[in-house]
Amino acid sequence: DTGVSQDPRHKITKRGQNVTFRCDPISEHNRLYWYRQTLGQGPEFLTYFQNEAQLEKSRLLSDRFSAERPKGSFSTLEIQRTEQGDSAMYLCASSLTVMDEQFFGPGTRLTVL
Amino acid sequence: QKEVEQNSGPLSVPEGAIASLNCTYSDRGSQSFFWYRQYSGKSPELIMFIYSNGDKEDGRFTAQLNKASQYVSLLIRDSQPSDSATYLCAPETSGSRLTFGEGTQLTVNP
Repeated sequence: DTGVSQDPRHKITKRGQNVTFRCDPISEHNRLYWYRQTLGQGPEFLTYFQNEAQLEKSRLLSDRFSAERPKGSFSTLEIQRTEQGDSAMYLCASSLTVMDEQFFGPGTRLTVL
Repeated sequence: QKEVEQNSGPLSVPEGAIASLNCTYSDRGSQSFFWYRQYSGKSPELIMFIYSNGDKEDGRFTAQLNKASQYVSLLIRDSQPSDSATYLCAPETSGSRLTFGEGTQLTVNP
């Protein structure tokens, strides 16, 4: 257990539905990252926050994806109008500062039917 | 060209042998390099990180970095069956995000 928690651990949804995931980072960590991982691939960067500010979004991230970190603590990742191609493991990671190691949560596995 | 390329697997070594995992990266601006281990169905966990050219040793693990060649490697000495996992190379790129390779699957046979 790294101290990063994610909820839910598993989510099954039907195509077209909206889903929201939550990540609670290690409490003193300023940086929070979201990655997506599909089978046989390494994690793919989605977005990251420095405190409550969203500093970078992957250009691969469609407008259906949005992330927030309203008080600089927990973060949510929402996917609107889910598609089957969104099925993946969604990983959250946090780090104390830039260039520090990133600690990963257990992930949320999304299955879109 | 992929941003991060790792030696294709799967890699199989006998118990007690040295496992060698290689990685090349394209972003010359990368300053920090991380090796993560990922067991099937689990999230990545950090094994080693290296910032400077040369070798860095931590127990049975040695990371090697050559920025001029844009090459980083991980050696696992005295490999154990519990080392069987996928190893992910991850240079830190712009904005401090990690760019992962596809991973090399290692199997250590008893």
